[in-house]
Amino acid sequence: GQQVMQIPQYQHVQEGEDFTTYCNSSTTLSNIQWYKQRPGGHPVFLIQLVKSGEVKKQKRLTFQFGEAKKNSSLHITATQTTDVGTYFCAGPGSSASKIIFGSGTRLSIRP
Amino acid sequence: DVKVTQSSRYLVKRTGEKVFLECVQDMDHENMFWYRQDPGLGLRLIYFSYDVKMKEKGDIPEGYSVSREKKERFSLILESASTNQTSMYLCASSRRVGLAYEQYFGPGTRLTVT
Repeated sequence: GQQVMQIPQYQHVQEGEDFTTYCNSSTTLSNIQWYKQRPGGHPVFLIQLVKSGEVKKQKRLTFQFGEAKKNSSLHITATQTTDVGTYFCAGPGSSASKIIFGSGTRLSIRP
Repeated sequence: DVKVTQSSRYLVKRTGEKVFLECVQDMDHENMFWYRQDPGLGLRLIYFSYDVKMKEKGDIPEGYSVSREKKERFSLILESASTNQTSMYLCASSRRVGLAYEQYFGPGTRLTVT
């Protein structure tokens, strides 16, 4: 079945350093979503990308969708302790309303 | 704001017990989902429902059943709880935005089966 692979599994950075997580699919995706889950919390929708090569920004977060619509990345500039959590990408599943989550990248930060 | 609520944040049950996890959403969403989340395994879909009384198996339906009698409520049932069902259970509902369906999650129920 369709899979969405996400790397790295963990990232530990010094506060102020940048962070990037990558998402890859073997098939072309009509769209990709990103979610954030704080420790002890639940996943919260961040953004959706639909166009080839699309780039969207939310303050220090930059989201990209690859030209072939098979990969995506989330980049955080100058991390802060509030960025701690697990970031998931998600692509469309086998039926219209389903989505397939990547395995997530857990970000921890040294203050 | 979309609100998805789950009946319990923490639950402890004994092996063999029948367990009901309830989820309610207040935004008239047609689609609702049950996931379990385990360390290193990410979010795994158990069941989902795209309409009242309609359900479809997800990736790991064994040992679970669901019920959707009303649009706003989606219940997950563990017919006979086992220790390997100890996990965090997350309910979600979704709405269509453009090409995609955005999911909104409840706070989760951490179930321990002893």
